Amino acid sequence: AQSVAQPEDQVNVAEGNPLTVKCTYSVSGNPYLFWYVQYPNRGLQFLLKYITGDNLVKGSYGFEAEFNKSQTSFHLKKPSALVSDSALYFCAVRVFILTGGGNKLTFGTGTQLKVEL
Amino acid sequence: KAGVTQTPRYLIKTRGQQVTLSCSPISGHRSVSWYQQTPGQGLQFLFEYFSETQRNKGNFPGRFSGRQFSNSRSEMNVSTLELGDSALYLCASSSQQGAGADTQYFGPGTRLTVL
Repeated sequence: AQSVAQPEDQVNVAEGNPLTVKCTYSVSGNPYLFWYVQYPNRGLQFLLKYITGDNLVKGSYGFEAEFNKSQTSFHLKKPSALVSDSALYFCAVRVFILTGGGNKLTFGTGTQLKVEL
Repeated sequence: KAGVTQTPRYLIKTRGQQVTLSCSPISGHRSVSWYQQTPGQGLQFLFEYFSETQRNKGNFPGRFSGRQFSNSRSEMNVSTLELGDSALYLCASSSQQGAGADTQYFGPGTRLTVL
């Protein structure tokens, strides 16, 4: 069964510094990987996804993520953090289900990002 | 395009009651998925509907059910509510043309509190 791990419950970073939120995955077959962000009392907002091709994926609000197949990782990065980036970040994986199709995401436990002045 | 909408945004129920939550997907999207989010269990997949058919189901008891209408709008129902059903229920839609690459777009959620 596919799974996603986010090893850090919280990441603290100073505004203007680069940030990294870690994610590792375990799937059989080719993974489709996603990053979402959640602000308080809100739903999940899509940031970016990796399907195939270039290992560096660029997404919304200056975020990017690097897919590393050998390390089964998909870390989220941003060169310069903003206080407004403070939120809960989720990594998710989806494996295409051949029987009956389907569209199920398996999420990590989330990483709280705190950006301070 | 309007995003995914969910109604109501907040609900308070008592144990034993039942509840129905509604989700309107992004126009043109045919797949609707439901997730439960709790502090203890995180985000868990409930079920997915596509063209009015349930295509996938998560590991939840039969008290949790859903359906999808011909206009792709979806409802989920929870019967005989328990305290542990208190959660944020999220709906997501995707165009789902048969490939796994489609992005799921989430609504704001319905916050259910069971007393």
